[in-house]
Amino acid sequence: SYVLTQPPSVSVAPGKTARITCGGNNIGSKSVHWYQQKPGQAPVLVVYDDSDRPSGIPERFSGSNSGNTATLTISRVEAGDEADYYCQVWDSSSDLFGGGTKLTVL
Amino acid sequence: QVQLVQSGAEVKKPGASVKVSCKASGYTFTSYGISWVRQAPGQGLEWMGWISAYNGNTNYAQKLQGRVTMTTDTSTSTAYMELRSLRSDDTAVYYCARDRTGDAPMNYWGQGTLVTVSS
Repeated sequence: SYVLTQPPSVSVAPGKTARITCGGNNIGSKSVHWYQQKPGQAPVLVVYDDSDRPSGIPERFSGSNSGNTATLTISRVEAGDEADYYCQVWDSSSDLFGGGTKLTVL
Repeated sequence: QVQLVQSGAEVKKPGASVKVSCKASGYTFTSYGISWVRQAPGQGLEWMGWISAYNGNTNYAQKLQGRVTMTTDTSTSTAYMELRSLRSDDTAVYYCARDRTGDAPMNYWGQGTLVTVSS
């Protein structure tokens, strides 16, 4: 079965750039979606179809996808970006989530 | 505005069943499907399955086949998820999410329903 691999944690200082990766076999051939989840809240879609942003999501959030790695990039990180982030793909007629990455803003 | 409002928290004993509802508003219910996603305490997101609000077609995660049933009531724009033979490891927050189908994103989510399974 298909596996999505995310680093458990990423730390970044305010104002810097955070990059969260999502690894999978030939993931570049799939559409990747990214969700942000803050404690006690439902997930929020922040990037879809590899690199598109829903309305209301800041331009600081961007995505890319090539080869075996998809990446969520958060520029000019703010304290409010501290959250868990999940990648998601569709494979073999099932939705699949990565294990999640906790972003800590130092 | 699109809203998905879920039913309240439940406490169930092992072996029992639970049925969670998800009432949709702000869009044409039958134009989309509903995915159900759960999250055990301190754990990640787990997709449970999907139902078409248009024709009732379902697609369940293999792990839950035989224990889960998803239905919709188009007259009230409500989706339901029933999970049977509950075990302690079914303790989780259960979310519904609007999901067109296939590789479409889940762009609207319910607030979540905590289901606790305990003797």
